[in-house]
Amino acid sequence: NAGVTQTPKFRVLKTGQSMTLLCAQDMNHEYMYWYRQDPGMGLRLIHYSVGEGTTAKGEVPDGYNVSRLKKQNFLLGLESAAPSQTSVYFCASSYLAGRRGEQYFGPGTRLTVT
Amino acid sequence: LAKTTQPISMDSYEGQEVNITCSHNNIATNDYITWYQQFPSQGPRFIIQGYKTKVTNEVASLFIPADRKSSTLSLPRVSLSDTAVYYCLVGVPPDNAGNMLTFGGGTRLMVKP
Repeated sequence: NAGVTQTPKFRVLKTGQSMTLLCAQDMNHEYMYWYRQDPGMGLRLIHYSVGEGTTAKGEVPDGYNVSRLKKQNFLLGLESAAPSQTSVYFCASSYLAGRRGEQYFGPGTRLTVT
Repeated sequence: LAKTTQPISMDSYEGQEVNITCSHNNIATNDYITWYQQFPSQGPRFIIQGYKTKVTNEVASLFIPADRKSSTLSLPRVSLSDTAVYYCLVGVPPDNAGNMLTFGGGTRLMVKP
């Protein structure tokens, strides 16, 4: 099992450019999440999904869009990048049964917007 | 949402036991208490989860008093490799009803030789 993988690992964007971050999990998890982590801060939930075809807003959804067309993939889009979106982005997935909601995290994507 | 309060940072020495306390005064009946560990440049990793009393696994113990308004993560005999940020989360997994978990700022543990 690869667990949770994220593509790309690093990216530099200019203000106004767009990009899509890809998250993939091979654990057949129902839930998937996108977080951002600014330097020295905790993680903040951007969007999440409780199943294929469903998405919901988290704490800081503005400026981002998501899609969950396949159960194993969760995409995070930035339509018009801003310097305030410079951050490390983590994807996670979880399965409700067993340890309730234990989240498995990917390695992160470091995004810089200049 | 049950908000949590943790110390911002703690220092310890190798071989000591470390206890990190998390306050969650408005915890709800269905809420679980979960702790994660995060090393620099990595995503968080699940450590332990509990609902009440005491839970122990190969890594840590979690103590939860009867009123469940706080919890204490106990790391026995820490080593340098335990230097990390520790997050306390309280709640149930996110769902379409709007429930979600928040990570907060965490406790930065520094283990010294």
